[in-house]
Amino acid sequence: EIVMAQSPATLSVSPGERATLSCRASQSVSSKLAWYQQKPGQAPRLLIYDASIRATGIPARFSGSGSGTEFTLTISSLQSEDFAVYYCQQYSNWPPLTFGGGTKVEIK
Amino acid sequence: EVHLEESGGGLVQPGGSLRLSCAASGFTFSSYEMNWVRQAPGKGLEWVSYISNSGYTIYYADSVKGRFTISRDNAKNSLYLQMNSLRAEDTAVYYCARNPPCGNDCSRWFDNWGQGTLVTVSS
Repeated sequence: EIVMAQSPATLSVSPGERATLSCRASQSVSSKLAWYQQKPGQAPRLLIYDASIRATGIPARFSGSGSGTEFTLTISSLQSEDFAVYYCQQYSNWPPLTFGGGTKVEIK
Repeated sequence: EVHLEESGGGLVQPGGSLRLSCAASGFTFSSYEMNWVRQAPGKGLEWVSYISNSGYTIYYADSVKGRFTISRDNAKNSLYLQMNSLRAEDTAVYYCARNPPCGNDCSRWFDNWGQGTLVTVSS
């Protein structure tokens, strides 16, 4: 099973600042990595797939990078609606499909 | 517009059973692979089960193997999860989630999610 680790667990950022979230896989997943955003009481929403491709309707301030075992989600200028929990997920080697533990982006 | 709506959650005693349903609309259900993903209160996401578009290929997480059964009825545009021998650790919001359409390769991210249904296992 591929284990996904996200860091930091919590990120405190001021509106308008850049946020950088990390995701590490226990073995290479190539570029088979997705990112999701989840707000309280809501279902997750797909942001990025194949490590760097934005899903339909996702603003350009969200960008993904990386391959192999190291990945980054960058939010270039945080808006109020971006404060949420973010999860990475690998789909390279499955079953099982596995998620990271999440990074909570909170207002500083 | 793609819409997934789960139902069937509730309070059940340890050892009991529950059947979840997911009604799909806004897309050709029979063409898509589907999954169940759960989230325990205050915790992260955990993939539970996968079913191919035809229903012939099925996978489970080790944590539910032998207790849960995924199925689908393409004529009714519905996905199901039969949960038996429920344990306290199965308490979670259960989401149905769709995989994207297969092109030359099938990728298993989740492009659409339902709003979830809460299952509480407690005496």
